[in-house]
Amino acid sequence: DAKTTQPPSMDCAEGRAANLPCNHSTISGNEYVYWYRQIHSQGPQYIIHGLKNNETNEMASLIITEDRKSSTLILPHATLRDTAVYYCIVRGWANFGNEKLTFGTGTRLTIIP
Amino acid sequence: DTAVSQTPKYLVTQMGNDKSIKCEQNLGHDTMYWYKQDSKKFLKIMFSYNNKELIINETVPNRFSPKSPDKAHLNLHINSLELGDSAVYFCASSATGTTEAFFGQGTRLTVV
Repeated sequence: DAKTTQPPSMDCAEGRAANLPCNHSTISGNEYVYWYRQIHSQGPQYIIHGLKNNETNEMASLIITEDRKSSTLILPHATLRDTAVYYCIVRGWANFGNEKLTFGTGTRLTIIP
Repeated sequence: DTAVSQTPKYLVTQMGNDKSIKCEQNLGHDTMYWYKQDSKKFLKIMFSYNNKELIINETVPNRFSPKSPDKAHLNLHINSLELGDSAVYFCASSATGTTEAFFGQGTRLTVV
């Protein structure tokens, strides 16, 4: 699985869009980009994933550059409850128990009132 | 309606003891995992089971023995506990062919 690089920390004002970058320059053609977050003392929570195209769900949007070497997770209207560590993970398609997630150090996002 | 539940939430025990952590999921998933988060907050996979069969075993000491009596349960038994085993242990599950893993709330193990 390709490695990812994320800034260690970011701040964002409440109500504004939070844009979390991730570099994955060694990503291969069949690897997906996943985002999870971990709110303090809780288990990680899945947010979104994508392969090539931009993706949006009820939680966030994922923008993947055309060369796929980087991506940005966007939380459109950040709230205090979005304060968490956000992990960008790159992984090939796996199945039948091989779907392990390799967590890096993530970005600690703090939403400021 | 907890999807992935672990017990206990906290566990304090002395070195050398044997302890178990239980995990149950009610999502109908066929794959379950154990992850360990150490004091530096690194999250790392330990084991995965698919349909009760061990798939991933990430160089974990053999003092750790997972057991899956059925697809909905994956328990973790730890023998001869050491100080370095202190960590938060997370259970997770996913369905074959999907991408989303659901995590439990974690078990904070403290070995004294």
